[in-house]
Amino acid sequence: SQQGEEDPQALSIQEGENATMNCSYKTSINNLQWYRQNSGRGLVHLILIRSNEREKHSGRLRVTLDTSKKSSSLLITASRAADTASYFCATGSGGGADGLTFGKGTHLIIQP
Amino acid sequence: DTEVTQTPKHLVMGMTNKKSLKCEQHMGHRAMYWYKQKAKKPPELMFVYSYEKLSINESVPSRFSPECPNSSLLNLHLHALQPEDSALYLCASSQRWAQGAKTFGSGTRLTVV
Repeated sequence: SQQGEEDPQALSIQEGENATMNCSYKTSINNLQWYRQNSGRGLVHLILIRSNEREKHSGRLRVTLDTSKKSSSLLITASRAADTASYFCATGSGGGADGLTFGKGTHLIIQP
Repeated sequence: DTEVTQTPKHLVMGMTNKKSLKCEQHMGHRAMYWYKQKAKKPPELMFVYSYEKLSINESVPSRFSPECPNSSLLNLHLHALQPEDSALYLCASSQRWAQGAKTFGSGTRLTVV
């Protein structure tokens, strides 16, 4: 069953603008992760935020987590054409080898 | 080596065929995963192997049979598939105790005819 729900499902912005995607989930989590997928190929891990963290940065990425609202956001600053992809949030319940439960994803298009 | 390699990249098979998907990693990861992804949908977990033992089977039909012959290899044996099994099959691996970040392969795009 799907845990995360991304919002919006699709987003089109101009190059250089910031892109914000949101994710909501339903159950308790150990961590929340964001992945990028280009053209239906493999997923690339972007960033992981643990349940006791509220904000995390990695390069042009900023992730926030609000466990009281069971939601997370991914901000991509100064977007580039190469950022065009589908972005998925995924939750892990913990336990080392647990499988991830993915949200429906946001398809981001960066217009040059 | 920081990659997960999946072969073949594309596979077309008939409903009576038997085929296998292969996944290989040399990162020393002790957890390996199979996911299935339909078009415009998120990946769905199928199987989890931890230390070469099957630890999670997400109620996958028996026509899909996983195998982990050693810590670097993961296979998915396919038999008597249906057209609705056509999808992108993704393999991933992670450190046993990382509780999170997965490294994914590029996937095998399977078409059942």
